[in-house]
Amino acid sequence: AQSVSQHNHHVILSEAASLELGCNYSYGGTVNLFWYVQYPGQHLQLLLKYFSGDPLVKGIKGFEAEFIKSKFSFNLRKPSVQGSDTAEYFCAVLLSGGYNMLIFGAGTRLAVHP
Amino acid sequence: DAGITQSPRHKVTETGTPVTLRCHQTENHRYMYWYRQDPGHGLRLIHYSYGVKDTDKGEVSDGYSVSRSKTEDFLLTLESATSSQTSVYFCAISTGTGDTEAFFGQGTRLTVV
Repeated sequence: AQSVSQHNHHVILSEAASLELGCNYSYGGTVNLFWYVQYPGQHLQLLLKYFSGDPLVKGIKGFEAEFIKSKFSFNLRKPSVQGSDTAEYFCAVLLSGGYNMLIFGAGTRLAVHP
Repeated sequence: DAGITQSPRHKVTETGTPVTLRCHQTENHRYMYWYRQDPGHGLRLIHYSYGVKDTDKGEVSDGYSVSRSKTEDFLLTLESATSSQTSVYFCAISTGTGDTEAFFGQGTRLTVV
């Protein structure tokens, strides 16, 4: 079955530290990839997306992600985090081979401390 | 924000009762999704729809049914609610074409007592 794995469930960082969140998926067909963020008490918002072209994609708030097809990975990065980045982050994969099934990873809860 | 409205936003119901959650969109998007969000599990797909009267099961469809009789509405029904269905339910919509992403509703917090 298709799945999305996020390696870190909880991450704690100090402000200005660098961030990398891992995401791997298992699906052999064409995929579109997303990172969403959920701030406390809110719904999901898109950080960035990859559909085709340059595998390094830039999103909002200084986030970027790199699609490595050979590794089935789409890791999220930010060079320097801020307290306002405290949130839960979800990797998602759109399986384009059938009826556009969109599945999510379990999420990574990030806490950024001063 | 995309035009997605979930109703109700909060509901408390008793075990064994039927419950219907509604997702209404004003974007005329083809695809609609229902997810449940639980700590440690992220968002798990319950059912989704790729057109009027066209639906399919997701990862955790047992105990749930859906209907889509018109483009703008996607209903999720718990035929006989159980405590394990206590969760936050999110609806999402997508055009499914081009490089568009899915847009999410505000969520419905359902408690089954």
